[in-house]
Amino acid sequence: ETGVTQTPRHLVMGMTNKKSLKCEQHLGHNAMYWYKQSAKKPLELMFVYNFKEQTENNSVPSRFSPECPNSSHLFLHLHTLQPEDSALYLCASSQEKLGLGRLSSGNTIYFGEGSWLTVV
Amino acid sequence: GQQLNQSPQSMFIQEGEDVSMNCTSSSIFNTWLWYKQDPGEGPVLLIALYKAGELTSNGRLTAQFGITRKDSFLNISASIPSDVGIYFCAGPSSNDYKLSFGAGTTVTVRA
Repeated sequence: ETGVTQTPRHLVMGMTNKKSLKCEQHLGHNAMYWYKQSAKKPLELMFVYNFKEQTENNSVPSRFSPECPNSSHLFLHLHTLQPEDSALYLCASSQEKLGLGRLSSGNTIYFGEGSWLTVV
Repeated sequence: GQQLNQSPQSMFIQEGEDVSMNCTSSSIFNTWLWYKQDPGEGPVLLIALYKAGELTSNGRLTAQFGITRKDSFLNISASIPSDVGIYFCAGPSSNDYKLSFGAGTTVTVRA
């Protein structure tokens, strides 16, 4: 139990469906992240939120739409996805947003268990 | 973010053996993180390193922050079956806000 909870753990959706992934952190952190993990590839950063404000969109297609209503919750809304979007989507949080080249002692990034997404 | 080179890509080890893996970067890092990911789960933080030369242990795991600040090492002593999984290194380069990840080292333990 890392303090970051993701639901659902598994999701199968058609290309015309609209679904959402949810992330909740119980750590009192101020920064939250969405990562994509595909087979045999390094984790890819998608979005960064700091104090509910989006600070980074790593060239993610618009069919992925994040929402951060408060510092504890992060959503990823999915619409008209493609089969190649099938992957493990990981939510993460940290006390403060990553500083330039440094995570201070005690400020580390913690991951949720992930949501396995299959697009058919 | 910077690309991290992690090696080996995979390893088969005998239970009870010691294991070593490393991670290198072309740029200087000020922080190194080591994660373990079990099948079907998210990465779990094992060890965080914040100073060059730092050596930190977590049970049977020991990680070192390389003096050059461009590499880090993770050792697992006396491996057991539950050490199976994928081990990732990660860190933000000194000129970047992003966290980069290695491609992972897959560890399989033979009983």
